[in-house]
Amino acid sequence: AQSVTQLGSHVSVSEGALVLLRCNYSSSVPPYLFWYVQYPNQGLQLLLKYTTGATLVKGINGFEAEFKKSETSFHLTKPSAHMSDAAEYFCAVSGRQTGANNLFFGTGTRLTVIP
Amino acid sequence: DAMVIQNPRYQVTQFGKPVTLSCSQTLNHNVMYWYQQKSSQAPKLLFHYYDKDFNNEADTPDNFQSRRPNTSFCFLDIRSPGLGDAAMYLCATSSGESLLFFGPGTRLTVL
Repeated sequence: AQSVTQLGSHVSVSEGALVLLRCNYSSSVPPYLFWYVQYPNQGLQLLLKYTTGATLVKGINGFEAEFKKSETSFHLTKPSAHMSDAAEYFCAVSGRQTGANNLFFGTGTRLTVIP
Repeated sequence: DAMVIQNPRYQVTQFGKPVTLSCSQTLNHNVMYWYQQKSSQAPKLLFHYYDKDFNNEADTPDNFQSRRPNTSFCFLDIRSPGLGDAAMYLCATSSGESLLFFGPGTRLTVL
C-alpha cells in the first residue's frame, strides 16, 4: 500500500526566498512520485515526476525535487519564490504496477508568497 | 491543443435535484477519472473508466453514477445531491501510465 505525508499544510515565504515543500511517502514497492500544483478554482497541473533514473528531477516553473530512497522523501524546492508560485501543491505516489487508478495524494500544502 | 474540458465550470443545484457534470477530452486517452475535492482536502477518487470498463471505488456513495458513451466524453451524475456533496469535481485522463491530465474542474454548490 502507498501513502503520502506532506509536512505543513501552510508555508509562507518571502518573494525571492527559497521554497521547500516537504513530502514523505510510504510504499511497499518502488514508487512513482509526482508533484502537482493547483491554482485557485483550477484543476491540478503536473509540476514534475519521478519514475526511474536520475533522482533529481526538474520540472516546470523552476521547480525541482529529489527522490531520496533512504529518507523516503521527495521534497519540492525552488531557489527563488515568485508571486505567481502562490498555489496549493500536492505530492502523490503510485505503485509501479498499478497505474494512476491507484494514485494517492497528500493533503496538500498551501504556499503563500509575501511581497 | 489537446486538453481536458469540463462543463460547466460552476454549477448550482438545489438539495435533492439531480445534476450532471460533463467532461470531454481531445487526448484520446483510454482512461478517464472522476475525483471529488472538498475544500482544503486532497482529491478523492470516485471512479474511473478503462475504455468502457467501469471501476467504482469501494467508498463511493450510490448517489454518484457515471456514464462514458464514447472515448471522448464522460459524465458524472449525482442523483440526489446533499449539502455534503458540495465540492470541486475534477475529471482527469490517462494513457494508462501513472500520469494524469486534469480538467479545470466544476465547482458544485448545493443550496
